[in-house]
Amino acid sequence: GAVVSQHPSRVICKSGTSVKIECRSLDFQATTMFWYRQFPKQSLMLMATSNEGSKATYEQGVEKDKFLINHASLTLSTLTVTSAHPEDSSFYICSARDPQGAAYEQYFGPGTRLTVT
Amino acid sequence: EDKVVQSPLSLVVHEGDTVTLNCSYEVTNFRSLLWYKQEKKAPTFLFMLTSSGIEKKSGRLSSILDKKELFSILNITATQTGDSAVYLCAGGRAGNMLTFGGGTRLMVKP
Repeated sequence: GAVVSQHPSRVICKSGTSVKIECRSLDFQATTMFWYRQFPKQSLMLMATSNEGSKATYEQGVEKDKFLINHASLTLSTLTVTSAHPEDSSFYICSARDPQGAAYEQYFGPGTRLTVT
Repeated sequence: EDKVVQSPLSLVVHEGDTVTLNCSYEVTNFRSLLWYKQEKKAPTFLFMLTSSGIEKKSGRLSSILDKKELFSILNITATQTGDSAVYLCAGGRAGNMLTFGGGTRLMVKP
């Protein structure tokens, strides 16, 4: 089956610094990747849709200058949390859509737990 | 604003019981309803429903969609401890984007 990886799995950073999270599709080419945020005991909130070679589409209320998304290749999308604050601490999950697969079927990465101190 | 609501929020049952999880949705440009199981990390795909009234089955799990009532249910029969997880439903809208519900936390006791 399709596999999506994320790196790092866990990161702790100081307030004011920037953190980059990578999302890779390992055995398929993903023209579209999605970034979600999940707070404890809450559901996944879609932050943005990342399309290879074009600008990401951000959901309402998500600051595009704070959460920089780059989808430079068909297998890699990155999310950079800039000038991180403690309230950015959360579980960030990416997913990728296999264009050869069924519509709306997304494969999720294992997530990255970000803690901002 | 799109909204997906799941109930109950949490459920505790014993092995062998049957459970029904509910999902109602209001999603603009709705295309499909998806169910996921989330144990510790990444959600894993269970079902995708696009047509009303057609039940999808996978082992002890089954699901059905009612597009008139904007509602879906996920049934799990003969529950096992390994079914303990958070079950998420999501409404798929145009552009392949998903709006997730808050999830139902299921705990199956031996």
